[in-house]
Amino acid sequence: SAVISQKPSRDICQRGTSLTIQCQVDSQVTMMFWYRQQPGQSLTLIATANQGSEATYESGFVIDKFPISRPNLTFSTLTVSNMSPEDSSIYLCSVRLAGYNEQFFGPGTRLTVL
Amino acid sequence: AQKITQTQPGMFVQEKEAVTLDCTYDTSDQSYGLFWYKQPSSGEMIFLIYQGSYDEQNATEGRYSLNFQKARKSANLVISASQLGDSAMYFCAMRAYGGATNKLIFGTGTLLAVQP
Repeated sequence: SAVISQKPSRDICQRGTSLTIQCQVDSQVTMMFWYRQQPGQSLTLIATANQGSEATYESGFVIDKFPISRPNLTFSTLTVSNMSPEDSSIYLCSVRLAGYNEQFFGPGTRLTVL
Repeated sequence: AQKITQTQPGMFVQEKEAVTLDCTYDTSDQSYGLFWYKQPSSGEMIFLIYQGSYDEQNATEGRYSLNFQKARKSANLVISASQLGDSAMYFCAMRAYGGATNKLIFGTGTLLAVQP
């Protein structure tokens, strides 16, 4: 498996501000993903973070709202921009290792927007 | 379109008993994988078990086993000898390997409460 860390683990933010979440993995991974879990809901894929190029976003998510970077194989960031209370969620980084079917998740970032 | 269905919003089980969490799926792909995750109240997603569509044997990992019935498109999770620490939300997920995005999609989850 992979050891995945996320920072911050939680934050409380004001409406209209932005927050950048970092994801660090201890091994080189083939694919990195960002998920959102709204309160009481299941997980929804935001985007696939591509190394050195623009992320691939799912329907309903746009780059202006959720810019993503992945400068190398082990690190990615997700920014939640111009936040509103509806952005209050757990944001999870997820990875797949080369040659493995399993997909692992980071500990999540619990975001509350006031 | 791919879909995961978990019909049990919540389940109770007595400590030390076995429990089955239901999961059905829908996909037109022949090659796919099925996953179960545990999410305690802390929010982390813990990988439990994986079953490939071409695996002939049901997957097992310690107290977890996956009852895979391909013709019925079901992939139920069986937890044997339940423990208080098993109380959590459980998600079934699927990834189809034939599609362009190859992404993991989730069911709505089942909240399991283990009673002493």
